[in-house]
This record gives sequence, structure tokens and C-alpha cells, in this order.
Amino acid sequence: AQSVAQPEDQVNVAEGNPLTVKCTYSVSGNPYLFWYVQYPNRGLQFLLKYITGDNLVKGSYGFEAEFNKSQTSFHLKKPSALVSDSALYFCAVRDPFSGGYNKLIFGAGTRLAVHP
Amino acid sequence: DARVTQTPRHKVTEMGQEVTMRCQPILGHNTVFWYRQTMMQGLELLAYFRNRAPLDDSGMPKDRFSAEMPDATLATLKIQPSEPRDSAVYFCASGIDSSTDTQYFGPGTRLTVL
Repeated sequence: AQSVAQPEDQVNVAEGNPLTVKCTYSVSGNPYLFWYVQYPNRGLQFLLKYITGDNLVKGSYGFEAEFNKSQTSFHLKKPSALVSDSALYFCAVRDPFSGGYNKLIFGAGTRLAVHP
Repeated sequence: DARVTQTPRHKVTEMGQEVTMRCQPILGHNTVFWYRQTMMQGLELLAYFRNRAPLDDSGMPKDRFSAEMPDATLATLKIQPSEPRDSAVYFCASGIDSSTDTQYFGPGTRLTVL
């Protein structure tokens, strides 16, 4: 079955420190991978996506993610965390059996808490 | 700054009542997705439209839920009759038809069924 796992329910980081939010996937064929962020009482906002090409993808708000095919991972990273980065982060992968449209399978989400 | 809009933002209703949620996709987008978010189930895809046609509603309870796009600027999700287990946040997202398109989410409708 196609799936996405976010192994950590919550990640705590001190402001200014680097952050990593983990994501692993299981999907047939070449994966199309996405990261979204959800602030309280808001909809999901697109951060970045990997379709093909360079394994290091740069996105919004200084975030980047590294695609690692051998480890089937797509971890989200940022060199220096801000308190304003505190939010719920979702990893998603396109369902390869969706019949041609971008049907996303979302992970359960990881809550990032950045402390001053 | 183009955004997906949803109304109402909050809805409290009693069991058995009809609920209608509305979504205005970003102008020029031709795909619309409806999602439901709960603590227990996370994000679930309910329905998908392309060029106003429903192409996938396999995630939607058929007996009480219905989704339509009367025109390109309006998508609706109806629940009739509503039940307490329908309490959730309902998101609409829109995009441009492709196999890799980015979905842009609205702010959601928080539904509480008493």
C-alpha cells in the first residue's frame, strides 16, 4: 500500500538551532513528494515539492528538503529555526494509482515547537 | 494575492440539519479538492473535480454527502442529514490540472454537529 510516515508527533527546537522534520514514504515507482505547513486555524500552505532532478529542494520561508531514494526519505530542514515556524507540518506523496491526477496521501503530521 | 475562499468559517448545527459549505477556487484553476480533517483520521480526501466534473468521490459517504460545482467559481459540499460524527474541519483546495500540480488550500470550515 502507498503510504507516508512521519515518525515524530512533535519536534522541539530552540530558536536559532537547525531543525529537521522527518518523513519516509512507501510508493510504487518514482515518488512525487510534497511538504505543507498548517498554522493554527488556517488551511495548509505549500512549502515545496520534489518531482525530479536535484535531490535538494528549496522552498518557502527558508525551508528545504532532501530526497533520499535509498532511504525512501524526504526530510524537511531549516538551518536556523524561528519561533514563527511553530506549526503543524505535513508530508505527502502522490498516489501513483490515482488515475492521472495529483491525489495526495498525507502523513499524520508533525507538530514543530520552536522555543525562544 | 489569489486565495481559495471558503464560507462559512464556522458552523454549529444540530443533528439532522442540512449543512452547505461553499468554496471559491482560485481564478483560472480547474481542479477542486474537498478534504476533511479530524484528529483521529487526519486529512481525508472526499472528492475531486476537474473542469467542474466530479472524477473521484470515493472518499465521500454517499448516503448523506454530495458535492457539486454549479460553475467554475463555486464548489459546494452538502451534508444532509448531518450527524455528530461529521464534526470536523472541511478544506477545499484548488489547482491546475496536472499530475504534479500544487494544491492551494482554503482556510477551512469548522463544522460542529450537536
